Amino acid sequence: EAGVTQSPTHLIKTRGQQATLRCSPISGHTSVYWYQQALGLGLQFLLWYDEGEERNRGNFPPRFSGRQFPNYSSELNVNALELEDSALYLCASSLWGMDTQYFGPGTRLTVL
Amino acid sequence: EDQVTQSPEALRLQEGESSSLNCSYTVSGLRGLFWYRQDPGKGPEFLFTLYSAGEEKEKERLKATLTKKESFLHITAPKPEDSATYLCAVQADRTGGSYIPTFGRGTSLIVHP
Repeated sequence: EAGVTQSPTHLIKTRGQQATLRCSPISGHTSVYWYQQALGLGLQFLLWYDEGEERNRGNFPPRFSGRQFPNYSSELNVNALELEDSALYLCASSLWGMDTQYFGPGTRLTVL
Repeated sequence: EDQVTQSPEALRLQEGESSSLNCSYTVSGLRGLFWYRQDPGKGPEFLFTLYSAGEEKEKERLKATLTKKESFLHITAPKPEDSATYLCAVQADRTGGSYIPTFGRGTSLIVHP
């Protein structure tokens, strides 16, 4: 069974640009979560999507946004990139909002 | 507010030297406690979910236990390939609310041959 997949693996942007990160959940999972892991910091919760709706949001500014598609895949958009946005962005999926989260390999975003 | 504290922050062991990692938590109603392993630059890999005090789970050289205040990840006769950061997370049982887990900062384990 295929796990959570994320693309791209690496992404390099300059300050002020926009970044789009993609995630495909495990087949049968309807919930998708996004986390930011900056160097030396723990996992910080960004967003939770289920059945196409945003269910919860972490303490991040509105320039972090996303969506979930009918096939449950998800996209994270980061607008007006800042240097501090450089981090590993992790996507996880689970059965509806309750059970164990399974993580993808992550997208390394570097903002220059 | 849910809190998770992992100790030690870093641990160096010799191959074969057994030890334990600690995860202390504060949560109003535990739904689940999770252990993950994370290699540098990679996504966390799921290890265990524990639901109630007294529960234990094992996988190869790893054994996770749970009490009402903390969880331990015991590593028996570790090998160099067990070197990684081990993350603990708790999920609170909130009626109609968020099930977003709270993660600890992790314990970085290095096992020397």
